[in-house]
Amino acid sequence: DAKTTQPTSMDCAEGRAANLPCNHSTISGNEYVYWYRQIHSQGPQYIIHGLKNNETNEMASLIITEDRKSSTLILPHATLRDTAVYYCIVRVMEYGNKLVFGAGTILRVKS
Amino acid sequence: EAGVAQSPRYKIIEKRQSVAFWCNPISGHATLYWYQQILGQGPKLLIQFQNNGVVDDSQLPKDRFSAERLKGVDSTLKIQPAKLEDSAVYLCASSLTRGQSTDTQYFGPGTRLTVL
Repeated sequence: DAKTTQPTSMDCAEGRAANLPCNHSTISGNEYVYWYRQIHSQGPQYIIHGLKNNETNEMASLIITEDRKSSTLILPHATLRDTAVYYCIVRVMEYGNKLVFGAGTILRVKS
Repeated sequence: EAGVAQSPRYKIIEKRQSVAFWCNPISGHATLYWYQQILGQGPKLLIQFQNNGVVDDSQLPKDRFSAERLKGVDSTLKIQPAKLEDSAVYLCASSLTRGQSTDTQYFGPGTRLTVL
């Protein structure tokens, strides 16, 4: 079972920041948080991952709370092409660090 | 750099028929994964290969599903005989190393299977 909880869906206006929350209250100290997204009819695409510190790359920023029980993925300037299902995943060592996908959050970016 | 290649992209078969999917991972990637994604759900891991050996096939329905990666590069996933509930997208992914917590998986476009 996935160790994360995400809202089922969210809407965001084009050009605005999209903030996608994720709860992972049972995360262990050495388990990473990963974010993937899946655009319609495509395979999942890696976005970003982190352990403790906030991370940023060309696609997004990942903010992890100090207690590591939750995180937020930030798309700074959402475009229509960012409409997708966003998956927050905790890689669990006792599961061999497998990616265990939940249902994710459907993000709809609207013009 | 070329991504993960899969074929065919779409397949329609009748129940009890057999079907095979092919995957060519990113060059140099030692680990290959097959996932099943049923409509409305996240992908579920079926089998993981490290080079040509099976690392994890705990979720593979072995009575009808089989997979191989004979030369440690490309892989095939077979279903025989297919059932209606096998209708799904079958995704292949690869990663450079095996199962480390920072090992990033890269996915192919998937094969959409419809069983009638």
